[in-house]
Amino acid sequence: TQLLEQSPQFLSIQEGENLTVYCNSSSVFSSLQWYRQEPGEGPVLLVTVVTGGEVKKLKRLTFQFGDARKDSSLHITAAQPGDTGLYLCAVSGAGSYQLTFGKGTKLSVIP
Amino acid sequence: EAQVTQNPRYLITVTGKKLTVTCSQNMNHEYMSWYRQDPGLGLRQIYYSMNVEVTDKGDVPEGYKVSRKEKRNFPLILESPSPNQTSLYFCASKGQGRAEAFFGQGTRLTVV
Repeated sequence: TQLLEQSPQFLSIQEGENLTVYCNSSSVFSSLQWYRQEPGEGPVLLVTVVTGGEVKKLKRLTFQFGDARKDSSLHITAAQPGDTGLYLCAVSGAGSYQLTFGKGTKLSVIP
Repeated sequence: EAQVTQNPRYLITVTGKKLTVTCSQNMNHEYMSWYRQDPGLGLRQIYYSMNVEVTDKGDVPEGYKVSRKEKRNFPLILESPSPNQTSLYFCASKGQGRAEAFFGQGTRLTVV
């Protein structure tokens, strides 16, 4: 059983559309991170959410941590081709050393 | 510039020929780890190290070795590579008590 379930697995949308991707689990986490990975590159951290119900904004990206700290969502407003990439959620294990990733959502934004 | 550097970026080798992928970080991070990324399977942790001379197995350690003799370096060793180790490999580092990890640019390994 995957610790973190991400959905959808693939998403292809037109430029200018809005979208939401999800990261769900049955476990409670002290924090959760979102990364974006572009083809041929390593993942790059977008945001860390810590508090249940927390909402963080990064330009057109809005991240929310569920009230129970078991799930998170990423909403992109007016998607641009530059948003294309693999979006990964991740959580730290006990002692904040190990990092476990979901399988990711592969987003394609068509001009 | 803070970074994690992996070498080589691309490698094609033959079955059974020992190889090492190097990883170096300049952020004085205690924690380093290796992942492999495969289609449909996501990022899976191979080995990790919490500090110098302290290493432990991740989720998929079979066929790999690591060492942590210095804080900045964490090489990944494949003693006898096999075709099922063809993958995209990433090294990452993290500071103690910090949530975010910094990744290298990846090494695409093909074993024929």
